[in-house]
Amino acid sequence: QKEVEQDPGPLSVPEGAIVSLNCTYSNSAFQYFMWYRQYSRKGPELLMYTYSSGNKEDGRFTAQVDKSSKYISLFIRDSQPSDSATYLCAMSEPGGYQKVTFGTGTKLQVIP
Amino acid sequence: KAGVTQTPRYLIKTRGQQVTLSCSPISGHRSVSWYQQTPGQGLQFLFEYFSETQRNKGNFPGRFSGRQFSNSRSEMNVSTLELGDSALYLCASSSGLAGYGGELFFGEGSRLTVL
Repeated sequence: QKEVEQDPGPLSVPEGAIVSLNCTYSNSAFQYFMWYRQYSRKGPELLMYTYSSGNKEDGRFTAQVDKSSKYISLFIRDSQPSDSATYLCAMSEPGGYQKVTFGTGTKLQVIP
Repeated sequence: KAGVTQTPRYLIKTRGQQVTLSCSPISGHRSVSWYQQTPGQGLQFLFEYFSETQRNKGNFPGRFSGRQFSNSRSEMNVSTLELGDSALYLCASSSGLAGYGGELFFGEGSRLTVL
């Protein structure tokens, strides 16, 4: 079983919809939680970064971390065609520095 | 500010050959890490270098190696290539400071095809 599980999708939604992306994990030592977005033929780019539990909002994006359930979520409000990409959840431990464990990614398509 | 630069972007090799990939981090970043991305396994951590020292290593065979130079530029090498080494190799840079685990800035990758 992988340390981080993520539904690969694909997920197809109409423009303007609210999108919910989720990951579960098994390693209770994870303290840093990230969401990366990867467009086709590009490297991943950091979208959201959270330390420990709680919520973080940035524009149309909200990240939630529930460490008690080992569950993280990313919500995208008013989704746009430009949001069409693969979304990767990622996690790391204190002292792990840049050793990051990624989910396999969820491919999202927002249809105009 | 220039981003992370990786060269070459595409390359084709045959089994048994070796390959060297190069990465120039964002100016001021002292940490460079390497990841392998494949459709089946996703992104997997290879190793991280900080101030010319390997600070962390993933679960890859010894055929995969790397180094970092005094200007923070990094190279990774794969010897005795196998078909399964075909992948997108991504370099990421960061400040490398404690407390910023996982804040990675990726390059566009080097796509390696092994025939």
